[in-house]
Amino acid sequence: GNSVTQMEGPVTLSEEAFLTINCTYTATGYPSLFWYVQYPGEGLQLLLKATKADDKGSNKGFEATYRKETTSFHLEKGSVQVSDSAVYFCALFLSGTYKYIFGTGTRLKVLA
Amino acid sequence: EPEVTQTPSHQVTQMGQEVILRCVPISNHLYFYWYRQILGQKVEFLVSFYNNEISEKSEIFDDQFSVERPDGSNFTLKIRSTKLEDSAMYFCASRPGTGDLYGYTFGSGTRLTVV
Repeated sequence: GNSVTQMEGPVTLSEEAFLTINCTYTATGYPSLFWYVQYPGEGLQLLLKATKADDKGSNKGFEATYRKETTSFHLEKGSVQVSDSAVYFCALFLSGTYKYIFGTGTRLKVLA
Repeated sequence: EPEVTQTPSHQVTQMGQEVILRCVPISNHLYFYWYRQILGQKVEFLVSFYNNEISEKSEIFDDQFSVERPDGSNFTLKIRSTKLEDSAMYFCASRPGTGDLYGYTFGSGTRLTVV
């Protein structure tokens, strides 16, 4: 079946630290991969996406590379800020289904 | 920027009561969705809706659930007789019929607490 596994949180970092949130997936076919972010009190916002193997998605200093050989899509940021504190969801999207399969989310807390 | 609006943001209901969660999708969108997240668990697909009918539903979406687009702007999720295990965050989403196939817009969610 199709599934997404994320590292458990919470992840607590100091400002300007390097961030990695691991995400691996299992899928039939060729999924597109996404990271969504949920800031406190807000909805799910698309952070970045990659639609095929070796694509790199990037936005707001965050990056993730679609690695087919390791079925991974790890989220990274070189220097986190307090404003990055949120819950991050990894998700896959299979063409033809038009629906997402999400991971459990990883809460990131950045301390000043 | 256009938004998907969900009301209420938090609803508390007694077990066995009916509850209606409301969503106003983006006006020119054609596809509508409900997802839910039980606390600490995955965000799960419930149902998709297009052209005034359900296009797909998950195993979770049993006879206790129904969806409706009663007036061309609202999109509602009804739970007929709530159970404790229905306590979750419910997200509505919509997307246009053309263009970016991944162009979902999610609402901010309704937290449902069944007591």
